[in-house]
Amino acid sequence: DTAVSQTPKYLVTQMGNDKSIKCEQNLGHDTMYWYKQDSKKFLKIMFSYNNKELIINETVPNRFSPKSPDKAHLNLHINSLELGDSAVYFCASSPLSINEQFFGPGTRLTVL
Amino acid sequence: DQQVKQNSPSLSVQEGRISILNCDYTNSMFDYFLWYKKYPAEGPTFLISISSIKDKNEDGRFTVFLNKSAKHLSLHIVPSQPGDSAVYFCAASVVTNAGKSTFGDGTTLTVKP
Repeated sequence: DTAVSQTPKYLVTQMGNDKSIKCEQNLGHDTMYWYKQDSKKFLKIMFSYNNKELIINETVPNRFSPKSPDKAHLNLHINSLELGDSAVYFCASSPLSINEQFFGPGTRLTVL
Repeated sequence: DQQVKQNSPSLSVQEGRISILNCDYTNSMFDYFLWYKKYPAEGPTFLISISSIKDKNEDGRFTVFLNKSAKHLSLHIVPSQPGDSAVYFCAASVVTNAGKSTFGDGTTLTVKP
């Protein structure tokens, strides 16, 4: 009974392609996030959704578009993939107004 | 502008000894601090946190100390165990902006048997 799950775990694709990463949480949390961990190991927040509403949108290219069909899901769609998009992407969730976050296992994206 | 820094990329400690992981921050608005632990091929897991109204929080073998004037916090693990070998991330946030945590770049702890 995985709390925060992501699919796929690994994603290898060519430059210019469009891809999606899915995230689901079964914890009943109101807030979900997407983070990017680059080669320097920094975990940088990209987006945050609270009950399907976008509340944090950091400086992320427009090619990245989050979609939240319901509060248990936050998917990340990436258009026109570039080499620099190669990273590990983590989904996370938390209860409303609580700082502690629960992370998914990550999706390693490799753009060739 | 890196607001949360973990200046030691790695730390090696003998089993049974104390591990001390350090974290510095620059934004004086931060008032809530967290430590996460990450094993390879897994996501970070929450370990312990501290509010800026405290200077110490303890949970079993893990203690976090906060020095607000120095904008410094540390995580002490006593006694260290081989299973503690992981990457430890420090994170800072503003309580009124809950959810937006700024992470450091992690310290890899190796506990040798």
